[in-house]
Amino acid sequence: SQKIEQNSEALNIQEGKTATLTCNYTNYSPAYLQWYRQDPGRGPVFLLLIRENEKEKRKERLKVTFDTTLKQSLFHITASQPADSATYLCALDRRGGGADGLTFGKGTHLIIQP
Amino acid sequence: DARVTQTPRHKVTEMGQEVTMRCQPILGHNTVFWYRQTMMQGLELLAYFRNRAPLDDSGMPKDRFSAEMPDATLATLKIQPSEPRDSAVYFCASGSSSAGGAKQFFGPGTRLTVL
Repeated sequence: SQKIEQNSEALNIQEGKTATLTCNYTNYSPAYLQWYRQDPGRGPVFLLLIRENEKEKRKERLKVTFDTTLKQSLFHITASQPADSATYLCALDRRGGGADGLTFGKGTHLIIQP
Repeated sequence: DARVTQTPRHKVTEMGQEVTMRCQPILGHNTVFWYRQTMMQGLELLAYFRNRAPLDDSGMPKDRFSAEMPDATLATLKIQPSEPRDSAVYFCASGSSSAGGAKQFFGPGTRLTVL
């Protein structure tokens, strides 16, 4: 069955360093992958989308890579700040083919320590 | 800022009662999603609509859950009868998409507790 795996343990990073989060998937051929940020008690907030024919996408201090051979996406936050502390979710199109319904990983809790 | 709104924000009810959750998508968005989030299962897609037509409700328990869009400004999710295992945070999200893959804007969620 389809599966998305994110590191379920909290990731502690020192302020100023680069945080790297991993999203692995199996039994999928997604047309795109998205990353969201979720703060406690709030809904997820969209960060970045990367399509299957793209290797890398950047937005300010964020960078996402997408390797369809390894079935893996890496999410990087450079020059991390305490305000970046949150849970980060990766999501793929549920049925492939670019349909809108998303399947989410369970998220990685990122803690940036001053 | 345009936002997705959801009501109620919190709901406590007893097993067997009907629960109705409402969502107002962002004006102009043509796709509306319902998700459920629990600690055990994470965020799961229940159903979604495009231009008010249901496209996929395969994630929803059909015997007790129903989702509708009476008009473009309102989406509803009903549970009847509710059960303790339905306790979760229910999110509505909207987006504007014709080709798929568009980003989704999430509401603040309805936290449902079924006793």
